[in-house]
Amino acid sequence: GNSVTQMEGPVTLSEEAFLTINCTYTATGYPSLFWYVQYPGEGLQLLLKATKADDKGSNKGFEATYRKETTSFHLEKGSVQVSDSAVYFCALTRPTSGTYKYIFGTGTRLKVLA
Amino acid sequence: EPEVTQTPSHQVTQMGQEVILRCVPISNHLYFYWYRQILGQKVEFLVSFYNNEISEKSEIFDDQFSVERPDGSNFTLKIRSTKLEDSAMYFCASILGTGSYNSPLHFGNGTRLTVT
Repeated sequence: GNSVTQMEGPVTLSEEAFLTINCTYTATGYPSLFWYVQYPGEGLQLLLKATKADDKGSNKGFEATYRKETTSFHLEKGSVQVSDSAVYFCALTRPTSGTYKYIFGTGTRLKVLA
Repeated sequence: EPEVTQTPSHQVTQMGQEVILRCVPISNHLYFYWYRQILGQKVEFLVSFYNNEISEKSEIFDDQFSVERPDGSNFTLKIRSTKLEDSAMYFCASILGTGSYNSPLHFGNGTRLTVT
């Protein structure tokens, strides 16, 4: 079946460090891939998405490239800020029997220290 | 920007009681979802709803759970007889859903359910 695997957290970085959060997926066909972010006490917000192989999603300095050959969608940011501290979820979706099923990874907590 | 709204933000109930969690999805969206998150960790799919019926449900969504869209704007999740392990954050989400499966989910801010 379809699934998403994320690296275990928490990830603790100093401000301005480089961030990578790994995400790999298992899916038949061509899923769409997403990164969501959850700040403390809030719901999940879409951070970026990519809908086909080699697409790069980007937003707020974050980037992720849809790599079909390695079934990966790793999240990167060149210089993190304290305000980036949050939980990050990788997700995929593809239509299933007339509906849209979204599958989330387990989340990776990022803590950025000043 | 339109958003998904959920009420209440926090619900405390005693074990065995019924609870109803309420959501108002974005008005032109067609697909509706409930997810839950225990202890700020994994986001678990409960149920999806389209065209006034359940389109898919997970093994978590047993006979104690039900969903309803009573009036064309609200989307509710009912837990008939709550258990301690139902304590979690419950998120409602919706998507536009017309013709493209790369539409992102729009989430509400959640209802924290505490069963004592």
